Amino acid sequence: EIVLTQSPDTLSLSPGETATLSCRASQSVNNIFLTWYQQKPGQAPRVLIYGASTRATGIPDRFSGSGSGTDFTLTIGSLQPEDFAVYYCQQYSDSPPSWTFGQGTRVDSK
Amino acid sequence: EVQLVESGGGLVKPGESLRISCTGSGLAFSHAWITWVRQAPGKGLEWVGRIKAKTQNEETHYAAPVRDRVTISRDDSKDTVYLQMNNLKSDDTGIYFCTTEYWGRGEYWGHGALVTVSS
Repeated sequence: EIVLTQSPDTLSLSPGETATLSCRASQSVNNIFLTWYQQKPGQAPRVLIYGASTRATGIPDRFSGSGSGTDFTLTIGSLQPEDFAVYYCQQYSDSPPSWTFGQGTRVDSK
Repeated sequence: EVQLVESGGGLVKPGESLRISCTGSGLAFSHAWITWVRQAPGKGLEWVGRIKAKTQNEETHYAAPVRDRVTISRDDSKDTVYLQMNNLKSDDTGIYFCTTEYWGRGEYWGHGALVTVSS
């Protein structure tokens, strides 16, 4: 099973600052199957980035994803108040079929 | 508008069983692959399992920690997928989300069903 480790666990930043979130995989991940989600309290996750770097429909361009193989990054440029939330990376493997999530990074307002 | 609605959550005792439903609208439900993801209180997301469409023989896959206690099935005549959980443990407490799986990611999500396992 591929293990995803996110860092840091918590990021305390002010509005307007840039957030850089890391997701490291224990084995190489097919970029097609690397997804970033945002989750706010009491809500379901929503897709921000899929295919490691493609923004989902309606996601502002301050969100960007990059990386390949075992190292992936989510960057949030110029944090807005609504961006303070928990972010998860997730990968899909098909041998055997399964999903794994990182443990999450909480982006807090400083 | 695509909507998924979970129902059937509740309070159960350890060792009991529970079936949660996920009903969809606004999509070609019979073609959808449905995945279940759970979240323990204050914790992260955990994949539970998935069911493919009838055209893929409704093939199911489960996470190792629940494989022996969980069954996912579907009734496309009701646009509904079921998560049957047996021999529930306190560690199974959490919110259970259903989501449409597309290229290995959760595209549309329900609001979740709360399952509490406690004596």
